Amino acid sequence: EPEVTQTPSHQVTQMGQEVILRCVPISNHLYFYWYRQILGQKVEFLVSFYNNEISEKSEIFDDQFSVERPDGSNFTLKIRSTKLEDSAMYFCASSARYEQFFGPGTRLTVL
Amino acid sequence: QQQVKQSPQSLIVQKGGIPIINCAYENTAFDYFPWYQQFPGKGPALLIAIRPDVSEKKEGRFTISFNKSAKQFSLHIMDSQPGDSATYFCAARMQGGSEKLVFGKGTKLTVNP
Repeated sequence: EPEVTQTPSHQVTQMGQEVILRCVPISNHLYFYWYRQILGQKVEFLVSFYNNEISEKSEIFDDQFSVERPDGSNFTLKIRSTKLEDSAMYFCASSARYEQFFGPGTRLTVL
Repeated sequence: QQQVKQSPQSLIVQKGGIPIINCAYENTAFDYFPWYQQFPGKGPALLIAIRPDVSEKKEGRFTISFNKSAKQFSLHIMDSQPGDSATYFCAARMQGGSEKLVFGKGTKLTVNP
């Protein structure tokens, strides 16, 4: 069964460093998303991406964040200068239309 | 307006019981309501979803009941098993172009043997 994959599973970084989180969406899907979940809290939308551009972003997704689909399979989230409050689980999701399928997540720890 | 309110925060049932998790929304522009199951350290897994033109949907032991006039929907798990112990999130999606899901705060379900 096709699934969304994410790497790395855990990333530890120092405050102020740049991180890139990687995702491989399900191959025939057209819509891609990033969500985050701070420990013990609900899942929050960050950004959606369709047709090689951002279709929607939340107020969390400020200038420190960017997304890219560098080739036909990968979808990345970059955080330029990490802050302590960026520590969370980051989930990539993809969909063909309504049903969004989530990856296993990357746990980002900012020290 | 874009919130989805979920209750209870936690729920403990015995094996075979029927836990019920409730969600409510205000914005009538929501047109798609999925439920996700999440085990510790894993991503949310799509369980079942409903559109507002139907009042009930069943998939295996999982049933969504939808009350459009009350703007509420609920998840029922029939014959619950210890393996169903997880956190359950309801969510909603806005019609008209927005693809984002708005999630409830989650319900931690424990099914005791």
